[in-house]
Amino acid sequence: GAGVSQTPSNKVTEKGKYVELRCDPISGHTALYWYRQSLGQGPEFLIYFQGTGAADDSGLPNDRFFAVRPEGSVSTLKIQRTERGDSAVYLCASSSPPSDIQYFGAGTRLSVL
Amino acid sequence: SQQGEEDPQALSIQEGENATMNCSYKTSINNLQWYRQNSGRGLVHLILIRSNEREKHSGRLRVTLDTSKKSSSLLITASRAADTASYFCATLSINTDKLIFGTGTRLQVFP
Repeated sequence: GAGVSQTPSNKVTEKGKYVELRCDPISGHTALYWYRQSLGQGPEFLIYFQGTGAADDSGLPNDRFFAVRPEGSVSTLKIQRTERGDSAVYLCASSSPPSDIQYFGAGTRLSVL
Repeated sequence: SQQGEEDPQALSIQEGENATMNCSYKTSINNLQWYRQNSGRGLVHLILIRSNEREKHSGRLRVTLDTSKKSSSLLITASRAADTASYFCATLSINTDKLIFGTGTRLQVFP
C-alpha cells in the first residue's frame, strides 16, 4: 500500500482481555516503530524493529506488552490482561534507513472499559 | 519518558499571521524533527534539521536549532485555517533510532 496501515482503527475491550493491534508498514521499509499516545500528550516510544528483530524494546511498560514482526513486514502489538490505563491511541511508524524520517499510520484507538 | 517541552501549549491566531512554536530538549541529538497531527491521529513529517545545521526552510516553514541552548523553534508564515493542528517536535539522539516527542503545541488558525 501507499502508506502505513493500522487495524483496527478502534478497539473496545473489557478489562482483563487480550488484544492484538496490527501494523502494515510501507513496502520495503525495514524499520518499524510502535508508539503510544495518551490524550493531550505526545507519542511515547514503545518498541523498534529492524527487520524481524526487536532492536530496542525499552519503552514497553511491562511484561503484559509484547510485539512481533516474524517476517520483517507486518507487526502485531499484543497486550495481555488489559487495564483501563492501557487506553490510548497506539501509533505505528515505518522508515527506510538511512533516512530518519518516520511515516505514521492513523493509529488504533484502544478503549479498555 | 518524554524529553521535549514545547511552548506555548496552545496558540490561537488569525489567518495571515505568523505562528511560532518553541521546543526544548535535554540530551545531545543527531537531529530534530517537527511533525503535525490532525484530530489526534496519524502524524505527518514536516521538516528535519540536523545537529550541525542552524536554520532550515521548507515552503512557509522555517526551523531554527540552537544546540548550545538545546532548543528549536518552528515558524509558520502567513498561516491558513488549514494549518490548524497539533505540532510536535521530536529528537533523535545519537546512537539511537527512537524519536522522543515533546508535549506539543495546539495551533488554532481562525479564518
